[in-house]
Amino acid sequence: DPKIIQKPKYLVAVTGSEKILICEQYLGHNAMYWYRQSAKKPLEFMFSYSYQKLMDNQTASSRFQPQSSKKNHLDLQITALKPDDSATYFCASSHRNSDYTFGSGTRLLVI
Amino acid sequence: QQKVQQSPESLIVPEGGMASLNCTFSDRNSQYFWWYRQHSGEGPKALMSIFSNGDKKEGRFTAHLNKASLHVSLHIKDSQPSDSALYFCAVMSNYNVLYFGSGTKLTVEP
Repeated sequence: DPKIIQKPKYLVAVTGSEKILICEQYLGHNAMYWYRQSAKKPLEFMFSYSYQKLMDNQTASSRFQPQSSKKNHLDLQITALKPDDSATYFCASSHRNSDYTFGSGTRLLVI
Repeated sequence: QQKVQQSPESLIVPEGGMASLNCTFSDRNSQYFWWYRQHSGEGPKALMSIFSNGDKKEGRFTAHLNKASLHVSLHIKDSQPSDSALYFCAVMSNYNVLYFGSGTKLTVEP
């Protein structure tokens, strides 16, 4: 059984639209993260949350907004989508100073 | 901000050969280091960690850390075609964030 569930697996969006990427983890970890992987910038850190609180944000654009409704959920809302947002978005979780467990990713294509 | 650089960008080794991957980092206060492996269509998976200077061996994989020279490496002995993947070096910041290098694409040819 997958320990981190990301939905959807694939997503095609129109420029200017808004999408939400879903992430749930069943590892009992207290920290969750979003990373983006594209040809230009492999595995780029975006956000980190600990106990549902934002710890670090290295995404320049406010179009990217994480949302944590439960302690094992960390969704990512992306507004005003641009073709440059096309990438695979990975959710991950960890305990402090331990290795991360990554989900299988959501592949987003903006046309 | 932590800078992590990997070399080579790609590497081809024959089956049974030795693969050597290198990584340099910029923050001298870094303490925790990982190697991750990613197969096509999957998320990265942790391969091994190293926290102290010197070598750490796990089966066919040996990691080496030299904090003074800001260098960490991974050596894969007796490489197998199933080892073909993208390998990332990762360094942890003070805020539990992992910074990844740009990756080394390893191809093991039968």
